[in-house]
Order: sequence, then structure tokens, then C-alpha cells
Amino acid sequence: EAGVAQSPRYKIIEKRQSVAFWCNPISGHATLYWYQQILGQGPKLLIQFQNNGVVDDSQLPKDRFSAERLKGVDSTLKIQPAKLEDSAVYLCASSPRGAFAYEQYFGPGTRLTVT
Amino acid sequence: EDQVTQSPEALRLQEGESSSLNCSYTVSGLRGLFWYRQDPGKGPEFLFTLYSAGEEKEKERLKATLTKKESFLHITAPKPEDSATYLCAVRTSDTGNQFYFGTGTSLTVIP
Repeated sequence: EAGVAQSPRYKIIEKRQSVAFWCNPISGHATLYWYQQILGQGPKLLIQFQNNGVVDDSQLPKDRFSAERLKGVDSTLKIQPAKLEDSAVYLCASSPRGAFAYEQYFGPGTRLTVT
Repeated sequence: EDQVTQSPEALRLQEGESSSLNCSYTVSGLRGLFWYRQDPGKGPEFLFTLYSAGEEKEKERLKATLTKKESFLHITAPKPEDSATYLCAVRTSDTGNQFYFGTGTSLTVIP
């Protein structure tokens, strides 16, 4: 079974530029999560989708971050404009069960550096 | 405010030297506590889910236990390949679907 795919793996941009990350979850997984992991910290949940609907986005900085999951499969996370403090690894995870499922399978992450 | 604290921050063990990692939490309405392993440059890998105090789960050299205030990840006779950062996370009923991760324990097992 193929795992969660993310691209790009690395991205370097200047502050105030825009960037987008892509995630393809494990086939058949209904729930998809985006996390931000700053160096030396644990992952912080940004947004959770159940199929193509948003279940929780309470920690997503909506003035600059946006995310969508079209057709309940792939998802993109966008930052516009980026700030220095957005430098982090952005992790995508998926889960085989519903919104209250607990076993999350993570992708390798996208390491973003904002200069 | 909900808190998840892991200790120690870093742990160095000789191969075969058993030890325990701690995850303490001060959340309201615990809906589950999770352990993950994270290798450098990779995403976290799911290990265990514990739902209620007294529950225990085992996988190879790892055993996770849960009380009302904390969880322990016991590592028996570790091997160098067990070296990784171990993260714990909690899900609470009071904050909808939020997961809170600790900052992790970096484990190094020396041959």
C-alpha cells in the first residue's frame, strides 16, 4: 500500500512570496490533516478535512493560510504572503476512518524555509 | 490551558539498557493518547493508541501504559535501531477535534 505523498519535499522562498504544498493521502482514507512542525517542537494541527469538508480549522491562520481538498482526495495548503516565522516542516496525514479516528499516517513532509 | 509535557527531552541508553519515557497531560476530557516515532527527515510513524486509565499495549520492545495523568513508553532491551524521537499526542473532547502533541523525547541507543 502506497503511503501519503507530499510535494515538494523542500522549498525556499523570500518573505511576502506565496507557496503551495500538495498532498495525496492513502487511497480510501476519508480524513486528511495538515500539520506545521517547527524545529524542536511537536506537530501543530492546522486543519482537518473529512472527505472534502472542513472539520476543524481553528488553528489555521486564515489571514495568510488556506487549504482545500477537492473531490475528497488530494489537498493543497497555501501560504500567501509568507512570513519568516512560517519556516517549518508541513506534514500531511490521513486516516482510514471518520472524523474521530485516531490512527494517522503521515507523509514525509515539506520543509519550507522563508528568507 | 491544555498541556502535554514529555520528559526527558533527550535520553542516551546503552544497547540493552531498559528505560521509560514519560508523557504527562493536563487536558480535560481525554479522548485518546497516542504515541508516535519520528526519524530525522520523516513524518511521525504511529505506534499506539490508549483510551482509558489502566490500558496497556505492546509492540516488540515497546510497551505503552496510561494513567489518569500520564503515560509511559517503556523500552525493553533497546537496540540502536530504536533511536528516534518519540512523540506523544492527546485528543480532547473539550476542544472538538484538536490534537495536541508534546515536544518529544530524543532517544539515542549506543551499541
